[in-house]
Amino acid sequence: DAKTTQPNSMESNEEEPVHLPCNHSTISGTDYIHWYRQLPSQGPEYVIHGLTSNVNNRMASLAIAEDRKSSTLILHRATLRDAAVYYCILRDGWTSYDKVIFGPGTSLSVIP
Amino acid sequence: EAGVTQFPSHSVIEKGQTVTLRCDPISGHDNLYWYRRVMGKEIKFLLHFVKESKQDESGMPNNRFLAERTGGTYSTLKVQPAELEDSGVYFCASSGGRGRVSVLNTEAFFGQGTRLTVV
Repeated sequence: DAKTTQPNSMESNEEEPVHLPCNHSTISGTDYIHWYRQLPSQGPEYVIHGLTSNVNNRMASLAIAEDRKSSTLILHRATLRDAAVYYCILRDGWTSYDKVIFGPGTSLSVIP
Repeated sequence: EAGVTQFPSHSVIEKGQTVTLRCDPISGHDNLYWYRRVMGKEIKFLLHFVKESKQDESGMPNNRFLAERTGGTYSTLKVQPAELEDSGVYFCASSGGRGRVSVLNTEAFFGQGTRLTVV
């Protein structure tokens, strides 16, 4: 699996936007960019994914660089509940069977 | 629709004993995964089932760990005999679909985990 690089930790004020960066300079053409997060004492949960175009859903937005070597997860208004570890993961869209491989992720703290 | 459920939520056992963890995936999901997080470390992949077959067991730490998925429904992960270093949180995940097409957009749904403490 291609690797991703994320900052170890970030802080945000409540109700402000948060931009979580991810570098994946060795991404292949068939790799999808997935984001998961793990809230304290819970299992990981899916957030969003994309291939080339920017994506929006009810939880977040995903901005993908034109060369696909980096992406940014955007939380439009951080809440205390968004404090979690966020994982940027590449998944090969052409592998018959795939698995989610976690790195260290970014630990997001939200300040009231 | 029920999510991925794991049982028990917590287990405390003595070194040398046997423990069996259970995972019930989302109904209809062919893919079932086991992960483990040891304190202070990253979440590590253990094993992947497709229906009842082991597709990838490259992450299983040693032969004290045995995973089964009889009938392609629920799965069990047995640790026998348990050692102190087996302590951690064990997560199960499932995803639907099969083969190449489904991977493109398949998200994995995780359970809440089983916290195993070996004393």
